[in-house]
Amino acid sequence: AQSVTQPDIHITVSEGASLELRCNYSYGATPYLFWYVQSPGQGLQLLLKYFSGDTLVQGIKGFEAEFKRSQSSFNLRKPSVHWSDAAEYFCAVNAGGTSYGKLTFGQGTILTVHP
Amino acid sequence: DAGITQSPRHKVTETGTPVTLRCHQTENHRYMYWYRQDPGHGLRLIHYSYGVKDTDKGEVSDGYSVSRSKTEDFLLTLESATSSQTSVYFCAISEETISNEQFFGPGTRLTVL
Repeated sequence: AQSVTQPDIHITVSEGASLELRCNYSYGATPYLFWYVQSPGQGLQLLLKYFSGDTLVQGIKGFEAEFKRSQSSFNLRKPSVHWSDAAEYFCAVNAGGTSYGKLTFGQGTILTVHP
Repeated sequence: DAGITQSPRHKVTETGTPVTLRCHQTENHRYMYWYRQDPGHGLRLIHYSYGVKDTDKGEVSDGYSVSRSKTEDFLLTLESATSSQTSVYFCAISEETISNEQFFGPGTRLTVL
């Protein structure tokens, strides 16, 4: 069965600093990979996705993520964090095939941004 | 933003009572999903639908049932609510695309006393 691990429950950074949120997945083939963001009291918004092609994908709000097959990772990055980026971030995997449509989420990483 | 609404947005109920949550979409997407979100667990799939009257179980389906009589509506029912079902419930929709990107509703906060 597919699984997703976000090792960091809570990360604190200063505004303007760079950010990297980690995501590792467990699945035999290349899955479809997603990063979602959730602001307090809100639903989830898709930041970016990967399912084939260039392993470095660009998303909204200045975020990017890199798929590394050898490390089973899909880490999210941003070069300079803004206070409005404070939120909870979720990595998700869709294995496709018979699991078509079923997203498996990581536990989430809460991002706090200090001024 | 994808046209997804959930009702009610907040509900407090007592143990043993039936509860129905509604998800309504205006996007005519084929797939619809119900998730629950709990601290430390991320989102977990309860049930999903791949067409009218076509539904299947997800990871945490015990104690929940669903129905989809129209493309636009997906109902989640707790036949007899328990305190362990206190959670935030999210509906999601997706088109039939290879990447199957899902769009989420605003959520329903359910408290079972």
